[in-house]
Amino acid sequence: KNEVEQSPQNLTAQEGEFITINCSYSVGISALHWLQQHPGGGIVSLFMLSSGKKKHGRLIATINIQEKHSSLHITASHPRDSAVYICATQAAGNKLTFGGGTRVLVKP
Amino acid sequence: DVKVTQSSRYLVKRTGEKVFLECVQDMDHENMFWYRQDPGLGLRLIYFSYDVKMKEKGDIPEGYSVSREKKERFSLILESASTNQTSMYLCAARVGQGHYEQYFGPGTRLTVT
Repeated sequence: KNEVEQSPQNLTAQEGEFITINCSYSVGISALHWLQQHPGGGIVSLFMLSSGKKKHGRLIATINIQEKHSSLHITASHPRDSAVYICATQAAGNKLTFGGGTRVLVKP
Repeated sequence: DVKVTQSSRYLVKRTGEKVFLECVQDMDHENMFWYRQDPGLGLRLIYFSYDVKMKEKGDIPEGYSVSREKKERFSLILESASTNQTSMYLCAARVGQGHYEQYFGPGTRLTVT
């Protein structure tokens, strides 16, 4: 059974700081998703990656398949980045396995 | 723009009531999912459907059933609501097999009293 662990569980940063969230998983996967959930519930897909690195604006996601590890970086963080960030792995098939989430608070 | 909608944002029901949560997607996606989200437990899959009238149990199907009569609509049914089913319910849709983004609805916060 795939276990997906995120760290840290909670993170507080000052505006402008560089933020890193880590995700480790225990079995081979075909893809990894990073999701963002703002207060109120809606979840938005940020990235889906199977190798290497992807960048979108101030967000960068990397994955190391051999080490079973992914990171999400937020550069020049802003209070609007305050949210819960969730990583989810996809093995063969349709189902995703979710990490517990990292709650990020960016203070002005 | 892709859209997944859920019938209610907030719902309050009494113990023993039959509850219907509706989810509609406008993307013609084959796969639809129902999750519940609880503090400390994260997102857990209740049921999913990969085609009309097709369904598979997820990790926590007990106390729930689903219906998918049309491709765009996936319903979650609580046959006899209980207080331990108080939760945030999230619907999602994804196209076909393979590596594709998953699109989520806004969620329904259900309280069973």
